[in-house]
Amino acid sequence: EVQILETGGGLVKPGGSLRLSCATSGFNFNDYFMNWVRQAPGKGLEWVAQIRNKNYNYATYYAESLEGRVTISRDDSKSSVYLQVSSLRAEDTAIYYCTRIVGGYNPSFDYWGQGVMVTVSS
Amino acid sequence: DIQMTQSPSLLSASVGDRVTLSCKASQNIYKYLNWYQQKLGEAPKLLIYYTNSLQTGIPSRFSGSGSGTDYTLTISSLQPEDVATYFCQQYNSWYTFGAGTKLELK
Repeated sequence: EVQILETGGGLVKPGGSLRLSCATSGFNFNDYFMNWVRQAPGKGLEWVAQIRNKNYNYATYYAESLEGRVTISRDDSKSSVYLQVSSLRAEDTAIYYCTRIVGGYNPSFDYWGQGVMVTVSS
Repeated sequence: DIQMTQSPSLLSASVGDRVTLSCKASQNIYKYLNWYQQKLGEAPKLLIYYTNSLQTGIPSRFSGSGSGTDYTLTISSLQPEDVATYFCQQYNSWYTFGAGTKLELK
């Protein structure tokens, strides 16, 4: 059974930083691209970042709106992916979901974690 | 960036109704469209990928169609457990989601 579990959320002051972790199990982590998607309270979904697998040299990609403030990384030995977010702003307040992407030429986010809440407030 | 516009934002329907949700892209996305269902307090769930392919385990009352800029998610006979918010998502150019259609029972 595929399992995805995010941790590391919480209350952070504006200007602060946070590192989110995502532990996975139940699938061959090395084969997959992993992503972070966020959802502000009562709002829609926003793709944040993607990290590809070793076959693609662990290439990373970021949403333009966040580029420069976020860093995605992975540790294949731990089947885990991470998201470092810096210079946090109130508008970064959201549930952050870790998701697996599958499908080659027709990618879709097929498994999601339960999400972790990040609140940016003084 | 490709913008995705969903309509309506809120839809009320009765059990057994045929329900149609719309999603319009700001440019041609060549059927590169997925649909997700999100129930209150839960993570999104993949329903349909590449416009009309049903994800494993999803009931056959869900179907998708469309091309170019206009796409549709149809529920052939609404069930109480279908109450949720539905998001479309394009992957022609990275990934953007629509704002969602909230589906409630009348």
